[in-house]
Amino acid sequence: GAVVSQHPSWVICKSGTSVKIECRSLDFQATTMFWYRQFPKQSLMLMATSNEGSKATYEQGVEKDKFLINHASLTLSTLTVTSAHPEDSSFYICSARAGGLTEPQDTQYFGPGTRLTVL
Amino acid sequence: GEDVEQSLFLSVREGDSSVINCTYTDSSSTYLYWYKQEPGAGLQLLTYIFSNMDMKQDQRLTVLLNKKDKHLSLRIADTQTGDSAIYFCAEEGFYGGSQGNLIFGKGTKLSVKP
Repeated sequence: GAVVSQHPSWVICKSGTSVKIECRSLDFQATTMFWYRQFPKQSLMLMATSNEGSKATYEQGVEKDKFLINHASLTLSTLTVTSAHPEDSSFYICSARAGGLTEPQDTQYFGPGTRLTVL
Repeated sequence: GEDVEQSLFLSVREGDSSVINCTYTDSSSTYLYWYKQEPGAGLQLLTYIFSNMDMKQDQRLTVLLNKKDKHLSLRIADTQTGDSAIYFCAEEGFYGGSQGNLIFGKGTKLSVKP
């Protein structure tokens, strides 16, 4: 099946610094990528939808100036957590929609996740 | 709004069948999905069902869909210890964000005892 990678798999940073997380579709082109956040023992909450070449669409309550999303190419989307604080510590998971590669077309394939810890 | 509900825990013995249930609210969803999440990992797509189907079987997995009751279930036959994980039911969402995003349940933690 389609493979999605994330880098880094984990990161620890100091409060006030910025962290960039990459999401790549390795063997297919993804016009749409999604960013989710997962708190311990919770479900995934969609943060934003990233479309190649256009601005991301953020879910209600997600600060677009804090969580910067760039979908620079059909295989890469990045999430930058700016001025990170301890409450931003979480597991961030991206997904990419294969679109046309498999049935159904809007199946999402998920990356392995990035665990962010802000001290 | 949309909502997906699942029971939080299920414990079975190795070799038994596991049935994980899910209810959803958006009757316009075209596909419904089951994802598996192992500890500290991302989500792995297990299977999906098209909304005009009642049942789909894929090796040890059987998905049943009752569209009238908006009830989805995942049956795992001959459950193994390697099946221990959290299983998420998901439906497509068409409100609030972009079309095609997934709405997840909270996940059912399946524990398989030897």
